[in-house]
Formats: sequence, structure tokens, C-alpha cells
Amino acid sequence: AQTVTQSQPEMSVQEAETVTLSCTYDTSENNYYLFWYKQPPSRQMILVIRQEAYKQQNATENRFSVNFQKAAKSFSLKISDSQLGDTAMYFCAFMKRYFGNEKLTFGTGTRLTIIP
Amino acid sequence: EPEVTQTPSHQVTQMGQEVILRCVPISNHLYFYWYRQILGQKVEFLVSFYNNEISEKSEIFDDQFSVERPDGSNFTLKIRSTKLEDSAMYFCASSETGLYQPQHFGDGTRLSIL
Repeated sequence: AQTVTQSQPEMSVQEAETVTLSCTYDTSENNYYLFWYKQPPSRQMILVIRQEAYKQQNATENRFSVNFQKAAKSFSLKISDSQLGDTAMYFCAFMKRYFGNEKLTFGTGTRLTIIP
Repeated sequence: EPEVTQTPSHQVTQMGQEVILRCVPISNHLYFYWYRQILGQKVEFLVSFYNNEISEKSEIFDDQFSVERPDGSNFTLKIRSTKLEDSAMYFCASSETGLYQPQHFGDGTRLSIL
């Protein structure tokens, strides 16, 4: 079974600063995907960024980027130039890679607050 | 952009009653999922559904739960004889295919059992 660990329950940062959220996971799989989802106070789950484990290049989406260290089973999210709208709960998630349905396994989340 | 829609947004039910949570996945998606989030806890997988049958279910998804795709658009989660511990946010998600396609989530239904 896969497990996902987010060791930072809460973080806060000043607006415009950079913040890094940590995530580690445990799996015996070699091929898988990793995701960061954002859950603002409205409670909707929004996909922020995704990473394929077989790709060495770190994924980036505008101000969001990841640091994927496969050997260390680490998948951190960096938010640059943070904005007030980034205030949310952030969940790291794991998905096995095989044809067919794949369930997401989530971490416990990090509550991020951007301070004006 | 197409969205997954869930109704109702909030459901209050007496313990022991049956409840049906409804979801309309994105129209060209083939894989459907239900997840649950108890207040303050992480999101947990309940069940996945493809080709009109359950593909995988978690240990949470016991005999009181069932899913159905009654027509070409709706995907429902039924909870029979609800318990207090069923109080949670229930998220529906869908994906275009299973292989490396992100799951798109609805806004959730907050279920409160009294």
C-alpha cells in the first residue's frame, strides 16, 4: 500500500514571498504519478500540478513548480511570488500507473496562509 | 471549462435514513470516483467505477454504500441506514481515461447526520 506524508500541518508566508511545501511518499511501485491539489475555503479540489515519475524533469506551471526526488521519494511544491488567492489547504497525492482506474492516495494536507 | 457538478451542496439527514448523493461527471469522461473527507482529515478514496461496474473499492465502502450510473449523465452514491460517522464532505471526481489523466473534482456535498 502507498502512503503519503505531509509533515507541515500549517504554514504562513508574506505575500510575494516564496514558500515550499513538503511531501514524502512510500511505495514499491516504479511507475506512478504525483499531484498537488489545492482546496481553498470554498472546499473545491483544484489540480495545481502533476509529475510523472519516469520523467526526471521537474514539472512547472506558472508560479508553481515541484522538486521531485525519486530516490528520496520526495515531492515538494514551491510557490513563487505568493498571492492572497494561494491561501488554501494543499494536498499531495499519489497515483499508481497502470491502464484502468487509478485511485488517488492523499496526504493529510498543509494549510497555507498568505499574509498581506 | 467543463466541470463536475454535485448536488446537493449540503444534505442534512437523520441517522438511519437513506441518502443519495448525485454527481454529473464531465461528459466525455469514462472513469468515475467517490472520495470522502471527514472534517479536518485527509481525503479518502471510496470507490472507482468504469463501464457500469465497480473497479476498486476501499475498506470504507462496505455494504451500506452503493454506486450507480442510472443514465448517461448521472453518477450516484447511496448510503443506506446512515450513521453519525458518515458525516463528511463527499467528493465526486471523473477522468477522461484512467491512464495518466488527472481527476477533476466536483465542489463536494457536505453530509450531516443528526
